[in-house]
Amino acid sequence: QKEVEQNSGPLSVPEGAIASLNCTYSDRGSQSFFWYRQYSGKSPELIMSIYSNGDKEDGRFTAQLNKASQYVSLLIRDSQPSDSATYLCAVKTTSSASKIIFGSGTRLSIRP
Amino acid sequence: GAVVSQHPSRVICKSGTSVKIECRSLDFQATTMFWYRQFPKQSLMLMATSNEGSKATYEQGVEKDKFLINHASLTLSTLTVTSAHPEDSSFYICSARDSDRGGNQPQHFGDGTRLSIL
Repeated sequence: QKEVEQNSGPLSVPEGAIASLNCTYSDRGSQSFFWYRQYSGKSPELIMSIYSNGDKEDGRFTAQLNKASQYVSLLIRDSQPSDSATYLCAVKTTSSASKIIFGSGTRLSIRP
Repeated sequence: GAVVSQHPSRVICKSGTSVKIECRSLDFQATTMFWYRQFPKQSLMLMATSNEGSKATYEQGVEKDKFLINHASLTLSTLTVTSAHPEDSSFYICSARDSDRGGNQPQHFGDGTRLSIL
């Protein structure tokens, strides 16, 4: 079982709709969770950090964390074509020392 | 916000050349930096963890003599690809965490270096 799992996609969402990206992790003791966005040919950029159960909102983005079920999700409201990218879930596990474990990413495509 | 600067952004050179890539944390100190490699349409792959003042920790399958890492200060890590060959052509990305703000901080990425070996 991978430490951090994501559906690779592609996930196709119409413009203006809500895009929902999901991630599960295996280490129940994990405390820190991150979402990164990576455009093709570019390096990842941090979108959200979440540390507590529940929702955290930042503009059109909402991160949701459920530690009991070991999943973290990212919702993108009013999706725009510029949101088309690969979204990486990352988790700071108890066994990973100083590094963050990245999922393989979900490719999101927003269709006009 | 935390800024990581990576240089150069693009390198094209002949087979057998050694290439040095620099990674700097501009507004924070980083006792640990990370080096990744990414081939087209594939996932990020962690190559090694760079530790200030000590030896780097390499992931399984990464040749330490091929990919030399030096982390001489709290704001600078370098990756040298020695005697590069066409199969080393890839997108190399560094990242760093703010050491002064605790262990749960996110990693911030440099813009990456696209290496092409002819």
